[in-house]
Amino acid sequence: LAKTTQPISMDSYEGQEVNITCSHNNIATNDYITWYQQFPSQGPRFIIQGYKTKVTNEVASLFIPADRKSSTLSLPRVSLSDTAVYYCLVGDPGGATNKLIFGTGTLLAVQP
Amino acid sequence: KAGVTQTPRYLIKTRGQQVTLSCSPISGHRSVSWYQQTPGQGLQFLFEYFSETQRNKGNFPGRFSGRQFSNSRSEMNVSTLELGDSALYLCASSLGGLGAIAEANYGYTFGSGTRLTVV
Repeated sequence: LAKTTQPISMDSYEGQEVNITCSHNNIATNDYITWYQQFPSQGPRFIIQGYKTKVTNEVASLFIPADRKSSTLSLPRVSLSDTAVYYCLVGDPGGATNKLIFGTGTLLAVQP
Repeated sequence: KAGVTQTPRYLIKTRGQQVTLSCSPISGHRSVSWYQQTPGQGLQFLFEYFSETQRNKGNFPGRFSGRQFSNSRSEMNVSTLELGDSALYLCASSLGGLGAIAEANYGYTFGSGTRLTVV
């Protein structure tokens, strides 16, 4: 599974848009990019998944450039409750393994 | 639908003891995976069970074991506990098709975990 690199932490204020970028230089052709959110003492929660270009759902957008060597999770108008660790994962949905490889994640701290 | 249920929520054990943790997956899900989360090592994959068989295994010593029952409920056991086993143990359930990443948007759900403290 491709290795991912994210910033260790980010700070923001309520109401701002937050963009978290993940690098995955050795992403393979069949790999998808998935982001999870985790609050303290809880399990990770799926946020969004994409393969290329842009994906948007009710909570976030995911931007993936043409070379797919990086991706950016965009959270619009964050609130205090968005303070959490965000993980970027890269993997092959058709692969022979059913496990998730988590990196260190990005701790997003939203301040009033 | 009901989520993934892990019991107990908190546990305190003494070094050398053994412990059993339980995970009840979402109804209809046949795969249960276990993860260990510590501040130093982050989230690490332990093993995955599908239809009562271990299908994948991470790099953990043999003291860590698991099993899955016919109703898909799973247990993991840690024997001869060490202080370093203190962690949040998470289980995730999914439909079971190979390819956890693609299943994330319709079936891969984590429980709230069991906080194990070894003293």
